[in-house]
Amino acid sequence: EADIYQTPRYLVIGTGKKITLECSQTMGHDKMYWYQQDPGMELHLIHYSYGVNSTEKGDLSSESTVSRIRTEHFPLTLESARPSHTSQYLCASSEGHMPGYTFGSGTRLTVV
Amino acid sequence: GQSLEQPSEVTAVEGAIVQINCTYQTSGFYGLSWYQQHDGGAPTFLSYNALDGLEETGRFSSFLSRSDSYGYLLLQELQMKDSASYFCAVIGRAGSYQLTFGKGTKLSVIP
Repeated sequence: EADIYQTPRYLVIGTGKKITLECSQTMGHDKMYWYQQDPGMELHLIHYSYGVNSTEKGDLSSESTVSRIRTEHFPLTLESARPSHTSQYLCASSEGHMPGYTFGSGTRLTVV
Repeated sequence: GQSLEQPSEVTAVEGAIVQINCTYQTSGFYGLSWYQQHDGGAPTFLSYNALDGLEETGRFSSFLSRSDSYGYLLLQELQMKDSASYFCAVIGRAGSYQLTFGKGTKLSVIP
């Protein structure tokens, strides 16, 4: 049973479109993260949040932006999608000092 | 910077034991985690080591040696469903909860 939900699961859009990838968790976790993963490759951190109104960029440079207005919701927005944004985007959350992340099922984005 | 090395692929026989190694070079180190990811699926948390030694969780165990910047994941009594990619990941410092992941090891379990 998933406690962290990502929508859409798959998305194909045209270049230049604005898109928002949704991520919601029902566990009350204070920390949330966005990772980008290409097929067969490692996960790269692009954004993270340690609480409401707190967001930071990760190690991987990204043209996306995030917001954290509510604890449970951490959407990621691309203002103008490009083919280089084609990838899988994984949202995760963690609680307090616990080391384990809970990941969502991901959004597979294809920009044509 | 952060760098984690693990083998890209490992093949093992059902019922056997397999060890997946991870060496890391990081500017800071607080703990080492392991995640499992099936094809097309989400990563799932397996284990975490902050101190030297072995942590056991059922068929899976994880080991850490901070002095050697080395850890491993041990899978016993392999089952076909264990075929997946396994990622080691480092937390770089206390108070940081960001994970830096290795490139992953694709484990294939054969009959």
